[in-house]
Amino acid sequence: QVQLQESGPGLVKPSETLSLTCSVSGASIISYYWSWIRQPPGKGLEWIGYISDIGRTNYNPSLKSRVTISLDMSKKQLSLKLSSVTAADTAMYYCVRQQDLLWFDPWGQGTLVTVSS
Amino acid sequence: QSVLTQPPSASGTPGQRVTISCSGSTSNIGSYTVNWYQQLPGTAPKLLIYSNNQRPSGVPDRFSGSKSGTSASLAISGLRSEDEADYYCAAWDDSLNGWVFGGGTKLTVL
Repeated sequence: QVQLQESGPGLVKPSETLSLTCSVSGASIISYYWSWIRQPPGKGLEWIGYISDIGRTNYNPSLKSRVTISLDMSKKQLSLKLSSVTAADTAMYYCVRQQDLLWFDPWGQGTLVTVSS
Repeated sequence: QSVLTQPPSASGTPGQRVTISCSGSTSNIGSYTVNWYQQLPGTAPKLLIYSNNQRPSGVPDRFSGSKSGTSASLAISGLRSEDEADYYCAAWDDSLNGWVFGGGTKLTVL
């Protein structure tokens, strides 16, 4: 059974860089894409970007200038870095396995990141 | 403003059939398959319907999906109290070269 577990600081200061890690267990990294999706409190879902098993990335145009997603195959870990954060980046951040350009399944439980001084 | 348009709310009584719509354009729903996600209160979203009308293992057949042109629908029959959740549609979008979601529909079981 595939399990995804996000981790990272729950509080980040404005203008700093948000850094999260997602650990994958119960499945291979190979042959899948891996995405980050976020959800501000009380709001809808926003796709941040994905990385393929060979390191190809694609980011949401609205976040592209601030986002970096990387993959550590040996550790089976996905990471997200979002720079120059503001209060608008406060959200639950989900790590998700992506089946090609088809669907997201499964989802991690999510980690809440608050941007505040 | 979400790229895909969903009604913000829907409701029904136990046993009823409810449908939730999702409207898009030729660059997303019109060209790619639609997925639906269910988000129970306080939990992460879960894949409910994939490839327009397919149910993952474990999803009851009370849930069904359909697509026509640039719109899609999720139908829930035999409504139960545990179906109370937020429902999101999603599709790949060629113009944005990325995934787009609907704004979500909050389903209330009266």
